[in-house]
Formats: sequence, structure tokens, C-alpha cells
Amino acid sequence: GNSVTQMEGPVTLSEEAFLTINCTYTATGYPSLFWYVQYPGEGLQLLLKATKADDKGSNKGFEATYRKETTSFHLEKGSVQVSDSAVYFCALSLGETSGSRLTFGEGTQLTVNP
Amino acid sequence: DTAVSQTPKYLVTQMGNDKSIKCEQNLGHDTMYWYKQDSKKFLKIMFSYNNKELIINETVPNRFSPKSPDKAHLNLHINSLELGDSAVYFCASSPSYSNTQYFGPGTRLTVL
Repeated sequence: GNSVTQMEGPVTLSEEAFLTINCTYTATGYPSLFWYVQYPGEGLQLLLKATKADDKGSNKGFEATYRKETTSFHLEKGSVQVSDSAVYFCALSLGETSGSRLTFGEGTQLTVNP
Repeated sequence: DTAVSQTPKYLVTQMGNDKSIKCEQNLGHDTMYWYKQDSKKFLKIMFSYNNKELIINETVPNRFSPKSPDKAHLNLHINSLELGDSAVYFCASSPSYSNTQYFGPGTRLTVL
């Protein structure tokens, strides 16, 4: 079946530190890959996505590259801020259009201290 | 504002009751979804509708029944609520041309 595995949290960093959250996947086809972020008390927001191998998604200083050879989509940011404190979810979708389910990882709680 | 909205945001009720959660999107999307987020924050798909037609129906108890009166609305009705139904329920939508889903703010259901 299809699955997503994220590094276990929680992750605690100091402001301006480098962030990596690991994500690997298992899929029967060629999935699209996503990172969603959930700020405290809010819904999920799309952070970035990539639809094919070697694509790089980026947004708000976050980046992730679709690595087919290692089935990974690790999230990185060069310098985190306190406002980045949230839960980050890696997800995959096997369909290219609407109606395809998202399969999520377990989520990684990030806390950034001033 | 263009968005996915849910009501209510919080719902506290007794075991055995029946309750509904409503979802509306004004993004013009064709497909809507319900996800359940458990206490460990794990998210799992429950249902999906495309233009009022059910297209995804995961293994959920029959007590859960989605209803889509039109493509902008997807409601979730839950009968005979149980303690294990306590969770955050998220509605989402996506346009016909994309697999990107846009989520509502969630409804936190607490069953006592």
C-alpha cells in the first residue's frame, strides 16, 4: 500500500537554526508529494508541492526536492523563525487531478525558541 | 473571503447523540473531502464527493453519513456518537484540474 513516514518529533530549535524534517514514502505509482503546515488551532495550509522526480517545491523560505531514487521529500529551511512553530505534515497523492486522496505522515511538531 | 469554512468550530456532546458538521467552499471546486485527525494528530481520509457523487468511502462506521446537497457543500452527519469519535474533523476541497487540496479550519468534536 501507500504510506508516508516522517521523522519523529517533537523538534525544538533556536531561532535562525537550520531545519530538516525527513520524509520518505512508499507508493505503487508515481505520486505527487506535499508538505502541509498546521499552526496552533488552525487548519492545514499547503506549504509546497512537487509533482515529479527532481522537482523542487519552495515557499516562505522552505524547500523540498522530490527524490525518486531515495523515495524522499525532506523539508528544509535555512533559518527558522519563532513564527514557524507548527506541525508539519508530509503527504502524497497518486492521482494528478481532483478526487485523489491524500495519504499523510504522522506529522512533526516544530517549536522554535527565541 | 474565498475559503473552505466549517461550522461549528467546537462541538461538545454526550454519547449516543446525533450531530452534524457543515462544510462550505466558495472556491468553485468540484471535489470535497472529509478527514479525521485523531488525538495524535494523524490524518485519515473518510469520504470524498465529486459534483455531489460519492467517490471515496473509506472504512468508517455506518454511523457516519456524508451528504452533499450541491458541489459547494459537504455535510457530515454522525449518529449514536461514541467516545472514540472525539477528534478534529477537517473538510477540504480541490479543483477538477489539480490534486492540491485546500482545508477548512476544522471542527473539534468532543464526546463525553
